[in-house]
Amino acid sequence: QVHLVESGGGVVQPGRSLRLSCIASGFTFSDYGMHWVRQAPGKGLEWMAVVSYDGSNTYYSDSVKGRFTISRDNSKTTVYLQLNSLREADTATYYCVRGGGYSFDFWGQGTLVTVSS
Amino acid sequence: EIVLTQSPGTLSLSPGERATLSCRASQSVSSSYLGWYLQKPGQAPRLLIYGASSRATGIPDRFSGSESGTDFILTISRLQPEDFAVYYCQYYGRSYTFGQGTKLQIK
Repeated sequence: QVHLVESGGGVVQPGRSLRLSCIASGFTFSDYGMHWVRQAPGKGLEWMAVVSYDGSNTYYSDSVKGRFTISRDNSKTTVYLQLNSLREADTATYYCVRGGGYSFDFWGQGTLVTVSS
Repeated sequence: EIVLTQSPGTLSLSPGERATLSCRASQSVSSSYLGWYLQKPGQAPRLLIYGASSRATGIPDRFSGSESGTDFILTISRLQPEDFAVYYCQYYGRSYTFGQGTKLQIK
């Protein structure tokens, strides 16, 4: 079955960078667009970014455009999210999500990023 | 930008009762792009409904989705103990937007 396993979260100071990874299994990775969605503690869901099935197209929410970069390596069935210039407001659980048409059909368990001095 | 407003914020019901959750879009939208998710405490969200009314794989038929103009409705016909959670609607327009969520709690 579909498995998405995120890693790379942790505690980081404001202004620093972090790279999240998500290893996928159980499906043909190169057939699907992949997303990152985050959730601040006790808050709702916020879509961050998407990368197309072949990595040729990427789109971002306005809140992270220019600071975060999504990419993928189909040979490693892995999607990445590079987080730069981190702010305390970026503190959240970051979910790796498979794109299913216009919805998000499978979610990883998430990795927690805490931005704090 | 489309804004999704979910109501009520909190819904208190008993097992076996029927739940009706609403998601209102700020402008006319296509039902093809509307999804519903369930999130239990400490867990990742799970897709319930896509295209406003199609159940995702493995979702029991007590869950159903419908639309009425700019309002989208998630109905749970007979609440089971495992259904008490937070529900989100989501829309794909220029971007991907979530509603703020409805917490379904045991009365």
